[in-house]
Amino acid sequence: GEDVEQSLFLSVREGDSSVINCTYTDSSSTYLYWYKQEPGAGLQLLTYIFSNMDMKQDQRLTVLLNKKDKHLSLRIADTQTGDSAIYFCAEVLVGGYNKLIFGAGTRLAVHP
Amino acid sequence: DAGVIQSPRHEVTEMGQEVTLRCKPISGHDYLFWYRQTMMRGLELLIYFNNNVPIDDSGMPEDRFSAKMPNASFSTLKIQPSEPRDSAVYFCASRTTGLGSYEQYFGPGTRLTVT
Repeated sequence: GEDVEQSLFLSVREGDSSVINCTYTDSSSTYLYWYKQEPGAGLQLLTYIFSNMDMKQDQRLTVLLNKKDKHLSLRIADTQTGDSAIYFCAEVLVGGYNKLIFGAGTRLAVHP
Repeated sequence: DAGVIQSPRHEVTEMGQEVTLRCKPISGHDYLFWYRQTMMRGLELLIYFNNNVPIDDSGMPEDRFSAKMPNASFSTLKIQPSEPRDSAVYFCASRTTGLGSYEQYFGPGTRLTVT
């Protein structure tokens, strides 16, 4: 079945790296996405990865995909207070290109 | 591009009143989605349109909810009559067929409070 799971909360010190994890159950995922939601705002697409890739890097963001374990992670290097937000993992399935399946979101808190 | 535009940003209404939420997708996008976000249920897809035609409304909670897209640049989500349990943040999103990666772009949302 379709299910995307994330831990609900992560706290890190400013300047450290953050790693937000996500697991999904459906092996027919084609694209996987990371969205960021700041308080009172909409969801902002951060990055995405195609399922035939293992890794994607974009400035401070690194996405790792372990398709065998159905595990996706987002690493934020040199985490700043402006990175405090809720991060959503989402997937699109083969044949279901119009339906994003979202996780519950991980709240990242960055403290001095 | 201005991105997806939603109005109003906040709406407070009394139970039983009609509520209309509005959305302008990104120009050139041919898909439009309406979502609802609550603490209890997270993000739920309510309905989506392709080229102004409703394709899947299976997420619409009940008959009190209706959505229209009269043209490529405007959509409405209407709740009549509204109930306190409809209180949530409603997001509109759009995407284009031209991108192979299927990502959706979200508006800032409308926070609805029904008292």
